[in-house]
Amino acid sequence: NAGVTQTPKFQVLKTGQSMTLQCAQDMNHEYMSWYRQDPGMGLRLIHYSVGAGITDQGEVPNGYNVSRSTTEDFPLRLLSAAPSQTSVYFCASSLALQSNQPQHFGDGTRLSIL
Amino acid sequence: GQQLNQSPQSMFIQEGEDVSMNCTSSSIFNTWLWYKQDPGEGPVLLIALYKAGELTSNGRLTAQFGITRKDSFLNISASIPSDVGIYFCAGQLKGGSQGNLIFGKGTKLSVKP
Repeated sequence: NAGVTQTPKFQVLKTGQSMTLQCAQDMNHEYMSWYRQDPGMGLRLIHYSVGAGITDQGEVPNGYNVSRSTTEDFPLRLLSAAPSQTSVYFCASSLALQSNQPQHFGDGTRLSIL
Repeated sequence: GQQLNQSPQSMFIQEGEDVSMNCTSSSIFNTWLWYKQDPGEGPVLLIALYKAGELTSNGRLTAQFGITRKDSFLNISASIPSDVGIYFCAGQLKGGSQGNLIFGKGTKLSVKP
């Protein structure tokens, strides 16, 4: 059981570069989301999707784009990386957009912007 | 934005001791979740609570959904070294969606053998 798979695990970028963080789940989950985790800040929601073709903004969406062309994949794009985007990024999924369907997390992508 | 106050921020305890941590908010929540995160990994769900007053156990872990729906606690009994990690509470606001899942800042637990 792969669960939620994130790639890459580590990445270093220069300011202004673009990058796509990949997230895939094999559980047929409708709901997927992206969080960033910074020291002392907990997890903050960037974008989420309730199903293929549907995305919405979370708490900290600026500087990030997402798309959901399939149920399985939910990539996160940084169009022009900035040092403030240095963080650990987590993708999560759950069966549906309901309070009784807790989210399952990937192992994270550690991103450094120089 | 909405905030969850999680305390304590960190704990240093002796193996075998019991642990208690909690989350409080000024807002009402429909769901409380407790996650554990090991170094270099993503959070893993420990316990999910869906009803006010609900008390749920998972092995040595026990969590409760506060009657006011504004708080939750997690207890760990007879701690062992593998309990080390960061514990997060997360709440889903009343009337909200998964887009409104709010995380506390975490409690870092260290256990001395």
